[in-house]
Amino acid sequence: GNSVTQMEGPVTLSEEAFLTINCTYTATGYPSLFWYVQYPGEGLQLLLKATKADDKGSNKGFEATYRKETTSFHLEKGSVQVSDSAVYFCALSDRQSSASKIIFGSGTRLSIRP
Amino acid sequence: DAGVIQSPRHEVTEMGQEVTLRCKPISGHNSLFWYRQTMMRGLELLIYFNNNVPIDDSGMPEDRFSAKMPNASFSTLKIQPSEPRDSAVYFCASSPLAGDSFTDTQYFGPGTRLTVL
Repeated sequence: GNSVTQMEGPVTLSEEAFLTINCTYTATGYPSLFWYVQYPGEGLQLLLKATKADDKGSNKGFEATYRKETTSFHLEKGSVQVSDSAVYFCALSDRQSSASKIIFGSGTRLSIRP
Repeated sequence: DAGVIQSPRHEVTEMGQEVTLRCKPISGHNSLFWYRQTMMRGLELLIYFNNNVPIDDSGMPEDRFSAKMPNASFSTLKIQPSEPRDSAVYFCASSPLAGDSFTDTQYFGPGTRLTVL
């Protein structure tokens, strides 16, 4: 079945460092790919998405490119801030005949030191 | 626009009691999802509905859990009887269904933190 594997955390970086969180997927067909973020005490929020191969999703300085050849959707940011500390989830859509659900990875906790 | 609304935000109960969690999806959204999040098991999909009809309840842990969606603007997740291992944060999410195509993005509520003593 469809699945998502993402980098285990926690990841700790200094402010202004470069961030990469790896994500690979297994899927039949052409799913949409997502990164969601969860700040402490809150629900998950969509950070960015890509719906087809070679699409790049971007938001708040974060980027991820849908790579079909490597089945990857790595999250990157050039200069992280303390406010980026959160848990990041890679996910893919799993479309069925009458509905669509999302399969989430296990999450990667990111901590940014001032 | 109001987002997904969940109530209560926090619930503390004793083992054996009935617990009812409530969710109001975003107006116009056709799909609704219930998740459970714990440190040990991460984020788990419990059940989801499309146009008020349950599509997949394979994630419901056991018969003590039940979910209903009587109309497009309201859903409940009930645990009866509750047990300490049910302690978790329960999230509701909704997603739009646009005609014959699917808009996959889900919008999450703030969650209900359940503690069963």
